[in-house]
Amino acid sequence: QVQLQESGPGLGKPSETLSLICTVSGVSITDYSWSWIRQPPGKGLEWIAFVYYSGRTDYNPSLTSRATISLDTSKNQLSLRLSSVTAADTAVYYCARALFGRFDPWGQGTLVTVSS
Amino acid sequence: EIVLTQSPGTLSVSPGERATLSCRASQTVSSSYLAWYQQKPGQAPRLLIYGASSRATGIPDRFSGSGSGTDFTLTISRLEPEDSAVYHCQEYDTTPSMYSFGQGTKLEIK
Repeated sequence: QVQLQESGPGLGKPSETLSLICTVSGVSITDYSWSWIRQPPGKGLEWIAFVYYSGRTDYNPSLTSRATISLDTSKNQLSLRLSSVTAADTAVYYCARALFGRFDPWGQGTLVTVSS
Repeated sequence: EIVLTQSPGTLSVSPGERATLSCRASQTVSSSYLAWYQQKPGQAPRLLIYGASSRATGIPDRFSGSGSGTDFTLTISRLEPEDSAVYHCQEYDTTPSMYSFGQGTKLEIK
């Protein structure tokens, strides 16, 4: 059974770089592709980035200059770095397995609040 | 970028009845890459439907998806109180590689 668990700082300051980790269990991350998706409080879902098992990456054009997604195969983890954060980046951040254009399963999410 | 518009924003239906949720795309979407998710308060989204009409593992047959081109529908029959949730549609575009979500429809069971 595939399970995903996000972890993050909880709180970040404006202009800083946000770092999130997603630990995957039940499968090797090299067997699939993965994504990060976020949801601001009370709002809809926004896809952030995608990493192929080969290491190729795709990004939402609105975030491509600030987001970096990567895999750590030794730890079976994927990560997200988001630079120059503002209050608009406050959201629940989810990781999910990406399978033929859909996301399944999802982690339970981690809330990140950006505030001075 | 393809924009997905879901309607209605909120739907209130009685138990035992049927709910019909709409997802309209600004451009033609490949049916292979149209999915629906259910999200209950405080929880992550759960995949319900993929490929526009295929149910994900463990999803009851009360949930069905249909549509093609720019118009897609999620139908939930024999509504139960536990179906109260926000439902999101999502599409994947291969060129460029990009995922988009609708803004969600909130389903309330009276």
